Amino acid sequence: DAMVIQNPRYQVTQFGKPVTLSCSQTLNHNVMYWYQQKSSQAPKLLFHYYDKDFNNEADTPDNFQSRRPNTSFCFLDIRSPGLGDAAMYLCATSRDRGRTYEQYFGPGTRLTVT
Amino acid sequence: GQNIDQPTEMTATEGAIVQINCTYQTSGFNGLFWYQQHAGEAPTFLSYNVLDGLEEKGRFSSFLSRSKGYSYLLLKELQMKDSASYLCAVRDNKNDYKLSFGAGTTVTVRA
Repeated sequence: DAMVIQNPRYQVTQFGKPVTLSCSQTLNHNVMYWYQQKSSQAPKLLFHYYDKDFNNEADTPDNFQSRRPNTSFCFLDIRSPGLGDAAMYLCATSRDRGRTYEQYFGPGTRLTVT
Repeated sequence: GQNIDQPTEMTATEGAIVQINCTYQTSGFNGLFWYQQHAGEAPTFLSYNVLDGLEEKGRFSSFLSRSKGYSYLLLKELQMKDSASYLCAVRDNKNDYKLSFGAGTTVTVRA
């Protein structure tokens, strides 16, 4: 059974047209993350939620926003996508207790900007 | 900040052993993870080390030396399905729910 679900799996948007990517989880984890991964590069953390507390990475462009209406759902909003925003966007979750704080990843949304 | 280095690519033969090295320079350390990522798919957890030594899990083992800032992932009895990218990730001790990833090592297994 899928534990971290991302929709859509593939998204095509036009330059400058706002787009929203969604993530949901059945793990009841209190931490949720959004990463951007470009081809052959490391996943780059954009931001994360610790419960309802939003934590933005210093180098995340203002063009990227996020919402977490409840524990299960998290959204990534790209207000004005540029060609450089084409990438795989990965959602992940973890819990703040336990030995490993292992992150569980969703299958990703591949964004194409035309 | 974090600086994590691993080789870009490695090739090995089915049934062989491959060792993927990872070196890190971090402002703090609170554990090292290895993830496997098949092309176009999400990373999946393989192993976790926080103390020095070897952790073995089936065909995969991971080693850590904190004093050297060094880890390796050992893949034994390679299978074609092991062809993937292997990501080394370090957790710092200031924000211990955040990971910093290396760029990954692409392993190609040949018949």
